[in-house]
Amino acid sequence: QVTLRESGPALVKPTQTLTLTCTFSGFSLTTSGMCVSWFRQSPGKALEWLARIDWDDDKYYTTSLKTRLTISKDASKNQVVLTMTNMDPVDTATYYCARIRHGEYYMDVWGTGTTVTVSS
Amino acid sequence: QSVLTQPPSVSAAPGQKVTISCSGTRSNIGNNYVSWYQQFPGTAPRLLIYDTSERPSGIPDRFSGSKTGTSATLGISGLQTGDEADYYCATWDSSLSGLVLGGGTKLTVL
Repeated sequence: QVTLRESGPALVKPTQTLTLTCTFSGFSLTTSGMCVSWFRQSPGKALEWLARIDWDDDKYYTTSLKTRLTISKDASKNQVVLTMTNMDPVDTATYYCARIRHGEYYMDVWGTGTTVTVSS
Repeated sequence: QSVLTQPPSVSAAPGQKVTISCSGTRSNIGNNYVSWYQQFPGTAPRLLIYDTSERPSGIPDRFSGSKTGTSATLGISGLQTGDEADYYCATWDSSLSGLVLGGGTKLTVL
């Protein structure tokens, strides 16, 4: 059974750096074709894709946030980490990670999400 | 502003069929598979359709997907009140080298 779980701080202050961890089980990021993506959803808004990391360590970022995002993996720990610098109240959202299949680009399993509030 | 364009809302009566459109360009829908997701308030999205028209196990055949050129469509037949949710389309954009999503469509079953 494939599962993913997001973890991280519930509250960060403006200008701080957010670090989120996606811990997964049931698959390996050393397996060819496996990828993990991060998404977010601000209250009442649409889903937004943030970043993707592949089994071969290729990385992709959404254009609008590229300068603030870093995605990395620790395959031995079954974890993917997303950092977002210079947090702002507009970054308040629920953040999700999901497994994504390379080439077909669909997210077949999602985590339950973690809510992050940016406030002083 | 989402790269893929979906209607903000659709509605239909129980038992009827509804379609949700997703419009893109050659660099995204035109040349890549499309997937669709269902999301209930306060919960994570769930995969409904992958590879444009395939259903994961456990998804009833009331849900269908198709694509023509740079537009994709999600069809839901035999509508039930439990289908009331937000629906999103997604695909890879080869020009942006990124995943793109629609703005979401809220389905109301009257």
